[in-house]
Amino acid sequence: EVQLLESGGGLVQPGGSLRVSCAASGLTFRSYAMSWVRQAPGKGLEWVSAISGRGGNTYYADSVKGRFTISRDNSKNTLHLQMNSLRVEDTAVYYCAKRSGENNGPLDYWGQGTVVTVSA
Amino acid sequence: DIQMTQSPSTLSASVGDRVTITCRASQSITNWLAWFQQKPGKAPKVLIYEASSLESGVPSRFSGSGSGTEFTLTISSLQPDDFATYYCQQYDNYPLTFGGGTKVEIK
Repeated sequence: EVQLLESGGGLVQPGGSLRVSCAASGLTFRSYAMSWVRQAPGKGLEWVSAISGRGGNTYYADSVKGRFTISRDNSKNTLHLQMNSLRVEDTAVYYCAKRSGENNGPLDYWGQGTVVTVSA
Repeated sequence: DIQMTQSPSTLSASVGDRVTITCRASQSITNWLAWFQQKPGKAPKVLIYEASSLESGVPSRFSGSGSGTEFTLTISSLQPDDFATYYCQQYDNYPLTFGGGTKVEIK
C-alpha cells in the first residue's frame, strides 16, 4: 500500500526558512514524479512544485520561484521542500502527492498534509 | 499557464439528485484532466483521470466526460457521503492548475 507521510511543518516568522519532508513507502519511489500542493485556510488547492522521478527536472509555481527548492533522495524514499524568505501568504497545509508516471500522469496518491504557519 | 474555470462554485442538492459540475480550460488539454473530491480536514482523493477513467474503488455513480477545453463531472444519484468539495485539475503540462472548486451542500 502506497503511503506518503509529511513532516516538518510549524510556525515561522516572515522572512524565515523551513524544510518540509515527505516519506514514501509501498512503491518504487524513483519511478514516480512527485509534487507539492498547498491549501491556504479556507481556500482552494494550489500546485507549488514538482520533480521528476530521477530528480533531473524541477518545476515551480511563479508564486514560489526563487524562494522554494524541491529535492528528493531516492535512496531514502524521501521528498523535500526547502522554503526560504517565507511570507504570510505561504501559510497553508502542504501536501505531497505522487504522479502515476515518471514525469506525467494524475496525482493519484496524497499524504495527509503538514501545516505551515508564517506569522510574526 | 492554463487557467481552469469551474462552475458552479456552490451547489445545493438533495440525496438522490443528479449533479453536474463543469470545468473549462483556457486552452486545449486533450483529455489530461482529473477530478478530485475533498472533505474537510482531509487530503484530496482522485475520482476520475484522463477525463473519463474511473479510479479504482470509486463508485460507478461518478462519471467524467469531455475533451479539449470542456469537461464535466456527473454524480448520477447523490449519496450522503458525496457532500464535499470537488476540484478539476489539468495535468497536460506544468504548472499544474486546479479549478476553484465546487462545494456540494445539502439542500
